[in-house]
Amino acid sequence: GAGVSQSPSNKVTEKGKDVELRCDPISGHTALYWYRQSLGQGLEFLIYFQGNSAPDKSGLPSDRFSAERTGGSVSTLTIQRTQQEDSAVYLCASSYDRYNEQFFGPGTRLTVL
Amino acid sequence: AQTVTQSQPEMSVQEAETVTLSCTYDTSESDYYLFWYKQPPSRQMILVIRQEAYKQQNATENRFSVNFQKAAKSFSLKISDSQLGDAAMYFCAFVAGGGADGLTFGKGTHLIIQP
Repeated sequence: GAGVSQSPSNKVTEKGKDVELRCDPISGHTALYWYRQSLGQGLEFLIYFQGNSAPDKSGLPSDRFSAERTGGSVSTLTIQRTQQEDSAVYLCASSYDRYNEQFFGPGTRLTVL
Repeated sequence: AQTVTQSQPEMSVQEAETVTLSCTYDTSESDYYLFWYKQPPSRQMILVIRQEAYKQQNATENRFSVNFQKAAKSFSLKISDSQLGDAAMYFCAFVAGGGADGLTFGKGTHLIIQP
């Protein structure tokens, strides 16, 4: 079947604008994860969904970041009032459940000018 | 909190030779999983191999094998008969049994294959 897909592949935005990143997990996968990959910080875990619920949002870098998941499937990561330090690759992963290995999407490269 | 350390920022190996990438981790958890992921320039993270902490036997996947030393908290990856397609960033990763905290990654090792 199809793997994890993410859109857009690349996004360039101006400082202060809002952006929305989308993740389509593998069908049937109940667990979904967001990560951020940047040169300075490496790979950081942001948030985990089990179904539509995110038990812990403390990994989100600031209150400008929010995430939701609907229908136990598609997830969106929204960054409000983007800053230059938000520039990074945002990776999404899904797994059958939280006890199984995670499969990653190709990522969205976000550049904030 | 868990930490994962990869002490080799870059490694180089001749094609067809064997190379070992190092990883150490620190945790107070007793139930956990360890992984090696490969990330080529395409950005796609690809699972190379997985090890359950409760298993004493080292995992193997074709040319890839691990040396899991639980007491030493060491988890190295051996790549045998290196191929040009193995060139990539390799990340060691840890997750506690529940999985809800997501993967904790090391900083990565850039593997170069010399033809």
